[in-house]
Amino acid sequence: DIVMTQSPDSLAVSLGERATINCKPSQSVLYRSDNKNYLAWYQQKPGQPPRLLIYWASTRASGVPDRFSGSGSGTDFTLTISSLQAEDVAVYYCQQYYTTHMYTFGQGTKLEIK
Amino acid sequence: QVQLVQSGAEVKKPGASVKVSCKASGYTFTDYGLSWVRQAPGQGLEWMGWVSTYNDETKYAQKFQGRVTVTAETSTNTAYLEVRSLRSDDTAVYYCARGWGDQWGQGTLVTVSS
Repeated sequence: DIVMTQSPDSLAVSLGERATINCKPSQSVLYRSDNKNYLAWYQQKPGQPPRLLIYWASTRASGVPDRFSGSGSGTDFTLTISSLQAEDVAVYYCQQYYTTHMYTFGQGTKLEIK
Repeated sequence: QVQLVQSGAEVKKPGASVKVSCKASGYTFTDYGLSWVRQAPGQGLEWMGWVSTYNDETKYAQKFQGRVTVTAETSTNTAYLEVRSLRSDDTAVYYCARGWGDQWGQGTLVTVSS
């Protein structure tokens, strides 16, 4: 199984500042045949299901503000929130969907306001 | 619009079984498989299994092999998760998600308590 490791476990950022969350799969999630990274990022607020933010490592899902961006390839990925807003307080998860129909998540990163 | 509507909360005794349903609408049911993910109180997301709505193929996380069954019923556009031999540490919110997770159900709380 691909193990997904996120860092940090928690993060406090001032409003308007940049927030950066890292994700490292235990093996590459880059599929050579289509040159795509099978990695997604989710946001989860208390009492709500996860919301897809980013897929293919860097494609924003519909309706996601452009302050959210994803980058990286292979075994090293980053979710960046360029200017933190109060409504971005949440837990963020990365997920690999490289292993056919067997998907795993990172442990989550809790983002708070400093 | 795509909707995944899950069945209501359940309270079960240790050793019992539970079956959670997930009714899909707003898209062609057989175009996407369905995943099941759980979240214990205060914990992260844990992928459990996946079912093909096209040919009934299934995949399970090793941790749940033999104790969990995922099925899909194309006549009603509904997927099911059954968990047997429930323990207190199975207390969690159980989510269904389309494919690897671009759309999610609202979650079903299963409480296991004597």
